Formats: sequence, structure tokens, C-alpha cells
Amino acid sequence: DAKTTQPPSMDCAEGRAANLPCNHSTISGNEYVYWYRQIHSQGPQYIIHGLKNNETNEMASLIITEDRKSSTLILPHATLRDTAVYYCIVRPLDYGNKLVFGAGTILRVKS
Amino acid sequence: KAGVTQTPRYLIKTRGQQVTLSCSPISGHRSVSWYQQTPGQGLQFLFEYFSETQRNKGNFPGRFSGRQFSNSRSEMNVSTLELGDSALYLCASSSRGSNPEAFFGQGTRLTVV
Repeated sequence: DAKTTQPPSMDCAEGRAANLPCNHSTISGNEYVYWYRQIHSQGPQYIIHGLKNNETNEMASLIITEDRKSSTLILPHATLRDTAVYYCIVRPLDYGNKLVFGAGTILRVKS
Repeated sequence: KAGVTQTPRYLIKTRGQQVTLSCSPISGHRSVSWYQQTPGQGLQFLFEYFSETQRNKGNFPGRFSGRQFSNSRSEMNVSTLELGDSALYLCASSSRGSNPEAFFGQGTRLTVV
């Protein structure tokens, strides 16, 4: 699995956009970028995934650079409930349902 | 629809004992994966079952085993418990054979004393 690098922690003001970066410089052509988050004492929650095009859903947007070596997860209007650990995962789509989690980024949303 | 249900939520066991944890996936989901979460090692993949067959296995000793039943419910077993097995054990279910959207349960908190 391609390795990902994320900052250990980030702060964001409530109501502002939270931009969480992820570096995956060794990503292969058939590997997707997935984002999950884990709110304290809960199981991880799927957020979004993409291959090379930017993606948006009701939770977030995923921006992948043209060379696919990095990506950014954007929470457009962060709330206190978005405080969580965010995990960026790279893996092939046809890989069963195994997820390899790194250390992630602790996002603290502050009022 | 109901989410992923894990039982029990909390468990205290003694070193050397064995333990069985249960996971009921979302109705219609055929894939169940198990993860161990500890403060030191983070979230680590244990194994995945799809249609009663183990499809992927993580790097854990043979004391950790699992199975899946025909109704997709899954159990994991840890034998000869060690203090280091104290962790949050999470189960995730997915609807297809390969689906990035895994739904996680609340987990079982195992404490080994």
C-alpha cells in the first residue's frame, strides 16, 4: 500500500473551512485516495474517496493534485462536531475491504 | 436501518483466558472486517471475511481468529489473553466485495488484567 503523510494536528475556527492535507507521493495508477474520520470513542466514519478527479459530497470535498502525489480534504464550514482524527488512506479499489490506517491528523475545531 | 452492532461493549478478562467478540453487520452486508485499536499502535487490521471465507489477514499471531456465519454475523476469538491485548476491537461491514465505504460499529473495549 502506498504510504501517506499527514500533519499530526491542525486547528480550525468554527465556521471556517478546514483544509486537511495528505501527501502520497508513491501512489500507483490504480490506487484511490480515501478519507475516514474518527470522533472520540466512536468507530471510524467514511467521508469520501477519489481517483484523480475532484469529488464532493454532503460532508466534504476532495481535491487531488494533477500528478496525484497529494490531496486535500476540505470541510467547507467546520463545526465543533467535526473535531476528530482524520485518516487519509491510499489503496486499490479492488482490494477487498481491508483498510490500512496511519496516525492521521487530529483536527480541533475551536469556537 | 440498524447499524453495525458489536457485543459486548465492555469486557474484563484475566490473563490466560480466552474471549469471543460478536459483530452483527448491517442487513444485506456480506463483508465483515475486524480491527484492533490501541494508543501505541493505532488502528490495525486483523482480518476480513466475505461470504463466510477469510479473504485478508493482518499481521497478528494465531491466537487471534475469526469466523463468519451464513447470516454474515461474525465472531472473533482471542485465546490465551495477554495484557497487551487490551484494546478497542472494531468491526466494520461493507455491502460489496470491494467497497471503500465501510460502516464501523462502536467497538468492544477489552481490558485484560
